[in-house]
Amino acid sequence: TQLLEQSPQFLSIQEGENLTVYCNSSSVFSSLQWYRQEPGEGPVLLVTVVTGGEVKKLKRLTFQFGDARKDSSLHITAAQPGDTGLYLCAGAGGFQKLVFGTGTRLLVSP
Amino acid sequence: SAVISQKPSRDICQRGTSLTIQCQVDSQVTMMFWYRQQPGQSLTLIATANQGSEATYESGFVIDKFPISRPNLTFSTLTVSNMSPEDSSIYLCSVRTGGRNSPLHFGNGTRLTVT
Repeated sequence: TQLLEQSPQFLSIQEGENLTVYCNSSSVFSSLQWYRQEPGEGPVLLVTVVTGGEVKKLKRLTFQFGDARKDSSLHITAAQPGDTGLYLCAGAGGFQKLVFGTGTRLLVSP
Repeated sequence: SAVISQKPSRDICQRGTSLTIQCQVDSQVTMMFWYRQQPGQSLTLIATANQGSEATYESGFVIDKFPISRPNLTFSTLTVSNMSPEDSSIYLCSVRTGGRNSPLHFGNGTRLTVT
């Protein structure tokens, strides 16, 4: 069974702070995706990383895929209240399925 | 991209009854999935809805409890049968419009409360 563990589970910070969320597994994934979900809505894709060691930037968000394609990180610079939400990593498993991580709930206070 | 309409958006049901959730997509899609999510927690895949054949269920989920229909490439239903309070959760329909590494698109979910 492929499992993706995220840490921390919950993070409460002040506006302007930096943070990093980690997504770790013992399994190798062909790709890894990060989603953000807000209350009452479905998850929305932020980024897909495919190549080991790949780094992608999306404004203040930086995503990295581990060299061995087993782990990933999400770094947010100067967090804003609009970044508040549930962050989910997801690995591409077999038969077109996505395995979702355990989730990180982020709260950014003004 | 795909626009997914899911209904009902929420319901409160009595134990022992069944609820059918509908998922309508604005375009034909090959892959359609049903997920369950406890509020504030991660997503657990229930099954892959296969067009014209029986759904493929994940470990811990069975057809008698969660029958799924997919009569065509734009529509699917998930039924939660003989409900108990433990079935209280958010149920999400999702689709993939591209290849294996393409993203999933989600409906807004159905929040089910069983009393």
